[in-house]
Amino acid sequence: QQQVKQSPQSLIVQKGGISIINCAYENTAFDYFPWYQQFPGKGPALLIAIRPDVSEKKEGRFTISFNKSAKQFSLHIMDSQPGDSATYFCAARNTGTASKLTFGTGTRLQVTL
Amino acid sequence: EAGVVQSPRYKIIEKKQPVAFWCNPISGHNTLYWYRQNLGQGPELLIRYENEEAVDDSQLPKDRFSAERLKGVDSTLKIQPAELGDSAVYLCASSLTGKQTQYFGPGTRLLVL
Repeated sequence: QQQVKQSPQSLIVQKGGISIINCAYENTAFDYFPWYQQFPGKGPALLIAIRPDVSEKKEGRFTISFNKSAKQFSLHIMDSQPGDSATYFCAARNTGTASKLTFGTGTRLQVTL
Repeated sequence: EAGVVQSPRYKIIEKKQPVAFWCNPISGHNTLYWYRQNLGQGPELLIRYENEEAVDDSQLPKDRFSAERLKGVDSTLKIQPAELGDSAVYLCASSLTGKQTQYFGPGTRLLVL
């Protein structure tokens, strides 16, 4: 059963534009929501993470927006750069039970010049 | 600080052959994870170790997959015999006990012919 749904599957954004990737979850026990960035031939690397007690978290050009009632969260990349071209995965976990990290299916982002 | 090390990086085998993957986690990280990432998908947990104990192996296909983490440091994941559907990237990750951030290695790309 897929518990974290991610969209879009792929995204093309011009340099300087805003990239937006959305995720929705089903399990209300999830309380940790990270985003991972993966370049070809590399393992995923943690980009930014949020807990449901806040509605937004910003780190540099990367922002997570969290809507607990809708069970949705999104990643916004401001001023997108060609170097941001990668695959992005959202994920979720119930930290209280130390459950596994459940990943979305990924979004392939391409930032064009 | 060295990251998670995995070897080999690539492996091509014929079906029904055995194969093994090796992982050396970040020094001091007691928690070790093995994930499988199918093409175009997010990573899926196979097994999680706390030191040398497998605390979550519910997703490990035990008829053909096995893993060990002797002395609570390095780990080996084995498939015997391999099937065509096992073609994927096998990722190892590690974390400090109780911490959420997982650090991934570059993965081993397996192709079963």
